[in-house]
Amino acid sequence: GENVEQHPSTLSVQEGDSAVIKCTYSDSASNYFPWYKQELGKRPQLIIDIRSNVGEKKDQRIAVTLNKTAKHFSLHITETQPEDSAVYFCAARDYNQGGKLIFGQGTELSVKP
Amino acid sequence: ETGVTQSPTHLIKTRGQQVTLRCSSQSGHNTVSWYQQALGQGPQFIFQYYREEENGRGNFPPRFSGLQFPNYSSELNVNALELDDSALYLCASSSTGAAADTQYFGPGTRLTVL
Repeated sequence: GENVEQHPSTLSVQEGDSAVIKCTYSDSASNYFPWYKQELGKRPQLIIDIRSNVGEKKDQRIAVTLNKTAKHFSLHITETQPEDSAVYFCAARDYNQGGKLIFGQGTELSVKP
Repeated sequence: ETGVTQSPTHLIKTRGQQVTLRCSSQSGHNTVSWYQQALGQGPQFIFQYYREEENGRGNFPPRFSGLQFPNYSSELNVNALELDDSALYLCASSSTGAAADTQYFGPGTRLTVL
């Protein structure tokens, strides 16, 4: 089955800097890759997603890139702000098991003012 | 915020007991997925329900079972609770069609097993 690895596990940046979180997946049949932001004690919130027919997607300060050949995808946050501090999870949709999402282990992002 | 709701918010049970958690999906969504999130971990897929039928299951024992109702709300039942079942239980709803991949999470139920 699908396996998703996420790095780094923790990331600390200064306000205004960029942050990059990387994920790799194992199943070449996976075709959908969402990113969720989870603040302490709250629900995972979808922030951006990408499908396998697209190489890059951007939404204001957030962008996601996908390299199908290498089976990795990345989240890029520019001009970070303290409110970006949270745990970020990447996920891959296991195509062979319907809508099952396989999540990475999470990255705790800390943005220091 | 999504329109996905869950109840109860918190629950404390003892080992061996049974528990039922509830989820109401977002309007227009007919698919509900359940996930278990242990502290410091990513969510783990339990199972998914589509049109009242189980549509995929993760590596969870049979004591984890579910239901989906005609209004697309759903229940997660866990029998013979174990200490390791302590976790945040999340449901996520999605729709069929072009946006079928997108799953929106509820706030979760925090289950503590003593």
